[in-house]
Amino acid sequence: ELKVEQNPLFLSMQEGKNYTIYCNYSTTSDRLYWYRQDPGKSLESLFVLLSNGAVKQEGRLMASLDTKARLSTLHITAAVHDLSATYFCAVTPFTGNQFYFGTGTSLTVIP
Amino acid sequence: DTAVSQTPKYLVTQMGNDKSIKCEQNLGHDTMYWYKQDSKKFLKIMFSYNNKELIINETVPNRFSPKSPDKAHLNLHINSLELGDSAVYFCASSPVGTAYGYTFGSGTRLTVV
Repeated sequence: ELKVEQNPLFLSMQEGKNYTIYCNYSTTSDRLYWYRQDPGKSLESLFVLLSNGAVKQEGRLMASLDTKARLSTLHITAAVHDLSATYFCAVTPFTGNQFYFGTGTSLTVIP
Repeated sequence: DTAVSQTPKYLVTQMGNDKSIKCEQNLGHDTMYWYKQDSKKFLKIMFSYNNKELIINETVPNRFSPKSPDKAHLNLHINSLELGDSAVYFCASSPVGTAYGYTFGSGTRLTVV
């Protein structure tokens, strides 16, 4: 069974600091997605990474994909309180369209 | 204008009851999904339909039965509800292929008492 692990599971950081969330997966895939979920809300798409070496940036968030290492990172630069949320990575295997989600990283940015 | 809409948003019911959750998407997507998010926020796929045809049926109790009357609708019927069914259920849709990811509905919080 495809496994997707994120670390850390919980992250508390001060405003202005930088940090990286890691997403490891157990199968070959070149398609990885990052989502954000606010408490009690739905999932919002952040990034779609579709090839080895893909890097995408939006505001203070930057995501990258290394398919050989089966690793994606979500880097947070100069965190602000509005980034507090749970972040999920998801992977699709080469066969099939279903997403396998990571365990989620609950991020709290402290003013 | 909601892209993927689910009803109801909240559902509180007693053990043993039968309930349904409805999902509709107006994006013209061919594939729809049901995911379950447990109390630890873990998301697990339950079912996937492509143009009304069931293509994924993960290890889910037979009490759960999806129905897709057309490619814009995917409903979830649950028989004989149990306490362990309490969770948030998300509907999602996607176009053919995975270049764009999923669009999720707002979720249905099911509480079985």
